[in-house]
Amino acid sequence: SAVISQKPSRDICQRGTSLTIQCQVDSQVTMMFWYRQQPGQSLTLIATANQGSEATYESGFVIDKFPISRPNLTFSTLTVSNMSPEDSSIYLCSAADPDRYTFGSGTRLTVV
Amino acid sequence: DAKTTQPPSMDCAEGRAANLPCNHSTISGNEYVYWYRQIHSQGPQYIIHGLKNNETNEMASLIITEDRKSSTLILPHATLRDTAVYYCIAHPTGTASKLTFGTGTRLQVTL
Repeated sequence: SAVISQKPSRDICQRGTSLTIQCQVDSQVTMMFWYRQQPGQSLTLIATANQGSEATYESGFVIDKFPISRPNLTFSTLTVSNMSPEDSSIYLCSAADPDRYTFGSGTRLTVV
Repeated sequence: DAKTTQPPSMDCAEGRAANLPCNHSTISGNEYVYWYRQIHSQGPQYIIHGLKNNETNEMASLIITEDRKSSTLILPHATLRDTAVYYCIAHPTGTASKLTFGTGTRLQVTL
């Protein structure tokens, strides 16, 4: 199955700034996803990263806050914009192989 | 994805079998039962999946009832490294659509 490299693994950011998280897959995959995991909670899907077109966002998430790029079949970025302390979470990317999903190790974001 | 129901937590002694139940009474005919686990501070890890037959791999066994309304993940000889949150997900395979996580079962393996 695919292997995902996600970076940075963690960061501490000032409120009002933006952070871009990168996700690199070692093989071409059709679908990539971005999740958020708030402290003590399960994973919540932010959006599906579509190659060559705009991402598909879930209810409660908007492009202005979480812009996503997917320039090719192996790479995607998620930006957390104009951050506030409420954005402190773990952000994870995922890639869909034909019959299973692989996840990155996550980015632990703390906003101060 | 069909809704699944799991107990919030379970304990298991090291070396014993851990049996994690999952109810998925509204599962559709094209949905498989997937199991993932998340060890603390790591991304979720695929364990196993099945449609209606029992499945076994190097990590675990999956037992699905004949009516497909429930399943059990079995870790035959649990170790401390199996302490994690285990997620049961009903999801169609081959479509590469989004995966929806429930709250999972927190398994604590103890000495």
